Amino acid sequence: DALTQPVSVSVALGQTARITCEGSDIGVKSVHWYQHKPGQAPVLVINRDSNRPSGVPDRISGSNSGGTATLTITGAQDDDEADYYCQVWDNIVIFGGGTKLSVL
Amino acid sequence: QLMQSEVRAARPGATLGLSCRASGFKFSDSDMHWVRQAPGKGLEWVGFISSNERNKDFGDSWKGRISISRDNGENTLYLQIFRLTTDDTGVYYCAREGGTSGWFDYWGRGTLLIVSS
Repeated sequence: DALTQPVSVSVALGQTARITCEGSDIGVKSVHWYQHKPGQAPVLVINRDSNRPSGVPDRISGSNSGGTATLTITGAQDDDEADYYCQVWDNIVIFGGGTKLSVL
Repeated sequence: QLMQSEVRAARPGATLGLSCRASGFKFSDSDMHWVRQAPGKGLEWVGFISSNERNKDFGDSWKGRISISRDNGENTLYLQIFRLTTDDTGVYYCAREGGTSGWFDYWGRGTLLIVSS
């Protein structure tokens, strides 16, 4: 089943950005998030809905409830400007379509 | 680290192999995946191979046209694509599966594959 993300999200510098990921029964799945900048390898920023790997800034957080998984960036910085993808394993690997985050 | 060639080029109809060399972790204990990004598109799962090569699975659009293999002695992962078309153009990433819930904790920087006549 597909994962649906907004194509783009804009946030003012220092404000809070929220990127959503919707899919069938997503609440019972483990959702992972990646940050992807042009010309670079994707970087895991959240795994298992809300776990932040070592080295990821604590302004990045995740949640999964009410039928929607959400990546939240609190106090957005210029360096957060990137594409963000949600991903689940549901017998196969499924990526969301990606969201371009612009920091204004 | 996962090291990949930067750019590869091929003609339509050809067969091409990509490689991904691992270092800094125990490759032979790691399930590995390939992910593709077509120009202007998002990430697309290509397929995976288990640490001992016994299990493999491929994305629906890739079944019958790719082969994934590995050499644990050489710490290297391979992807072979048969009957290339221009639609296969894109960046191909190798990635290590980090846990049982299927996230990817290490990624290569990707190989840009250009298929053109």
